[in-house]
Amino acid sequence: DVVMTQTPVSLSVSLGGQVSISCRSSQSLVHNNGNTYLSWYLQKPGQSPQLLIYKVSNRFSGISDRFSGSGSGTDFTLKISRVEPDDLGVYYCGQGTQYPWTFGGGTKLELK
Amino acid sequence: EVQLVESGGGLVQPGASLKLSCVASGFTFSDYWMSWVRQTPGKTMEWIGDIKYDGSYTNYAPSLKNRFTISRDNAKSTLYLQMSNVRSEDTATYYCTRDGYYWGQGVMVTVSS
Repeated sequence: DVVMTQTPVSLSVSLGGQVSISCRSSQSLVHNNGNTYLSWYLQKPGQSPQLLIYKVSNRFSGISDRFSGSGSGTDFTLKISRVEPDDLGVYYCGQGTQYPWTFGGGTKLELK
Repeated sequence: EVQLVESGGGLVQPGASLKLSCVASGFTFSDYWMSWVRQTPGKTMEWIGDIKYDGSYTNYAPSLKNRFTISRDNAKSTLYLQMSNVRSEDTATYYCTRDGYYWGQGVMVTVSS
């Protein structure tokens, strides 16, 4: 299985600040079809995960441009700028390139 | 609006069976692969498996393949997860997802005697 390693485990940020979350995979996430199926999710307290970013850098419908994804191969980053209260929660990366899909352990974003 | 509503969870004894359902609306169900993902009490996310849009093909996490079965009824826009011989480690919140893009609200399953 592809192991997804997220860092840091937790992050404190001031409102209006910027943060980055790293996600590394144990194998390249480039699919045979040339796509890289790396997604980012946010799980707010008491809610189900919601998709933020798919295929590394594509924002899902309705997602603010304050969220941006980048990376390639095995190394990926989610950046959140101008952090707002509604951004708080746990962020997960996940890969859908190789079965079984796997997820990172999560990064908890909290207010400083 | 895409909606996925899971049901069928609850408290179940070890060794028993349980069938979860997920009713979909807001899109043409028969056009999409669907999947199940679970989240443990410790918040670990684990993919269970998925099923092709016509129900002809399934993939499973190797560790669950022998006990869990995914099926669908496109006429009812409903996805199913049949769980058998459940264990305490199956205690989790179970989510159905459409392609990993849309997620249901989840249903809790607790395995305990």
